[in-house]
Amino acid sequence: AQSVTQLDSHVSVSEGTPVLLRCNYSSSYSPSLFWYVQHPNKGLQLLLKYTSAATLVKGINGFEAEFKKSETSFHLTKPSAHMSDAAEYFCVAGGTSYGKLTFGQGTILTVHP
Amino acid sequence: DAGITQSPRHKVTETGTPVTLRCHQTENHRYMYWYRQDPGHGLRLIHYSYGVKDTDKGEVSDGYSVSRSKTEDFLLTLESATSSQTSVYFCAISESNGAYGYTFGSGTRLTVV
Repeated sequence: AQSVTQLDSHVSVSEGTPVLLRCNYSSSYSPSLFWYVQHPNKGLQLLLKYTSAATLVKGINGFEAEFKKSETSFHLTKPSAHMSDAAEYFCVAGGTSYGKLTFGQGTILTVHP
Repeated sequence: DAGITQSPRHKVTETGTPVTLRCHQTENHRYMYWYRQDPGHGLRLIHYSYGVKDTDKGEVSDGYSVSRSKTEDFLLTLESATSSQTSVYFCAISESNGAYGYTFGSGTRLTVV
């Protein structure tokens, strides 16, 4: 079994400041890990994915995440927040049989001017 | 997203009535999934399919059934809708057990009154 815990349900930053969204996972094997973003009343968009090729993963829109096996973490970061980054972010684990995904509870990112 | 459509996009139904949601893909992907999204829970897997007529239960399958009679269509049925099934439903497809990622539909917002 696997589980995903997003450590903050809400994160608030000012425009131009760094973003850190935290995610821990629990898995009995080496999972695939993803970050998805969902803007209000929209579908899910893939930001980035980790599939064991490299521990530092770069995604779209300046986001990146680092896989740390010793800490079972996969935190999402961005050096400088933009107003358009305001959305809900999901950390997701895969790699199970039949490709089933396990979602974290979501983190709502608010960006203040 | 291109290659996957969900219908209807919105539906309001009464308690006790049957409801069927449709997921249609044009990608010829083997794996299809139904998730529901509720605040504070992220997305949770309802049912999934790994081929025509091959389906299995996810973590929140009670009250739901599915059918897949052809590769491109995956139907989710609420036999007798309840208010607790008010949610946003997402369909996803995957080519190869998730190794190459997933594509999500735009979602169906279902309200049971």
